[in-house]
Amino acid sequence: DSGVTQTPKHLITATGQRVTLRCSPRSGDLSVYWYQQSLDQGLQFLIQYYNGEERAKGNILERFSAQQFPDLHSELNLSSLELGDSALYFCASSVGGVSPPDTQYFGPGTRLTVL
Amino acid sequence: QKEVEQDPGPLSVPEGAIVSLNCTYSNSAFQYFMWYRQYSRKGPELLMYTYSSGNKEDGRFTAQVDKSSKYISLFIRDSQPSDSATYLCAMSTLGGNYGQNFVFGPGTRLSVLP
Repeated sequence: DSGVTQTPKHLITATGQRVTLRCSPRSGDLSVYWYQQSLDQGLQFLIQYYNGEERAKGNILERFSAQQFPDLHSELNLSSLELGDSALYFCASSVGGVSPPDTQYFGPGTRLTVL
Repeated sequence: QKEVEQDPGPLSVPEGAIVSLNCTYSNSAFQYFMWYRQYSRKGPELLMYTYSSGNKEDGRFTAQVDKSSKYISLFIRDSQPSDSATYLCAMSTLGGNYGQNFVFGPGTRLSVLP
């Protein structure tokens, strides 16, 4: 158990809908990362937050947005969902604000299925 | 050409074998190189982290980076059935305010047969 929690574990929804994925980082970690993992695209880095502020952006679609709240939990919002958004979404956390290496600890993931 | 290339396998080896996993990359801006292990239905777990050319050893694992050839490797000695997993290479650049932008390889599925 990495100490990172993600809810829900599974989510099934329809095209065009909007969903919110939630992540609670390990105690003491200030940095949160979001990833998407699908069979054809592999693990894709989406976005990083540190202490409430966006720090790095990867291949995140405009239909997706994220935020980190004052209590450090983070939410990833996915809107206008398409079939191709079906994937495993991981959150990871790290201490943050330090020079690398800054070890990331991954949560168990949320499996999103868009029908 | 993808930024990071990795042979997807699957790779099957007998227990006790030496395993060699490799990645090539095209972006010379990558500064940090990592190997992750991912068991089925679990999140990735960091195995090794390095930022310079050369070798780094940790127990049965050795990570090798050749920046001039844009090539990284992970060697697993005395492989065990518990090493059966997907191995992902990852690379990152360091932006301002400690932001790190990560790029992962597609992963190599390894099976170590008893």
